[in-house]
Amino acid sequence: GNSVTQMEGPVTLSEEAFLTINCTYTATGYPSLFWYVQYPGEGLQLLLKATKADDKGSNKGFEATYRKETTSFHLEKGSVQVSDSAVYFCALESGGSNYKLTFGKGTLLTVNP
Amino acid sequence: EPEVTQTPSHQVTQMGQEVILRCVPISNHLYFYWYRQILGQKVEFLVSFYNNEISEKSEIFDDQFSVERPDGSNFTLKIRSTKLEDSAMYFCASSGDGFDPQFFGPGTRLTVL
Repeated sequence: GNSVTQMEGPVTLSEEAFLTINCTYTATGYPSLFWYVQYPGEGLQLLLKATKADDKGSNKGFEATYRKETTSFHLEKGSVQVSDSAVYFCALESGGSNYKLTFGKGTLLTVNP
Repeated sequence: EPEVTQTPSHQVTQMGQEVILRCVPISNHLYFYWYRQILGQKVEFLVSFYNNEISEKSEIFDDQFSVERPDGSNFTLKIRSTKLEDSAMYFCASSGDGFDPQFFGPGTRLTVL
């Protein structure tokens, strides 16, 4: 079946540091891949997505590239801000599955000033 | 900006009691979902709903669970006889069509005593 494994946290960084959160997946077919973010007290918000191999999703300075050969979708940001502190979830949606999302466990990021 | 809303934000109930969690999806969306996250674990798919019927459900979604769209705006999850292990954060999500990203509500924290 489908599964997502992401780097366990918590991750603590200083402002302006480089961020990588690793995500790998197992899926049948050709999944779409997503990063969702959850700020304190709020719901899950779509951060970025990629629907096919070698696509790069980007938003708010975050990027992730769909790597079929390594079954990965690592999240990166060159310079984090305090406001990026949140929980980040990697997820996949595999075609033919009625569009349900399979999530990783989430990674808590704390950025200190 | 349209958003998914959920009520209540926190529900405390006694084991064996029935609970109804309520969601108002984004108004022109057609696909509706419930997910849950037990503390410290992954966000798990429960059920998807389209065209007034369940399109897929997970193993978690047993006979104690039901969903309903009683009118044009609400989407509810009912747990008939709650167990301690039903304690979790429950997220509602909706999408315009199956290929659109899912938009999530802020969640309802259910505590079963």
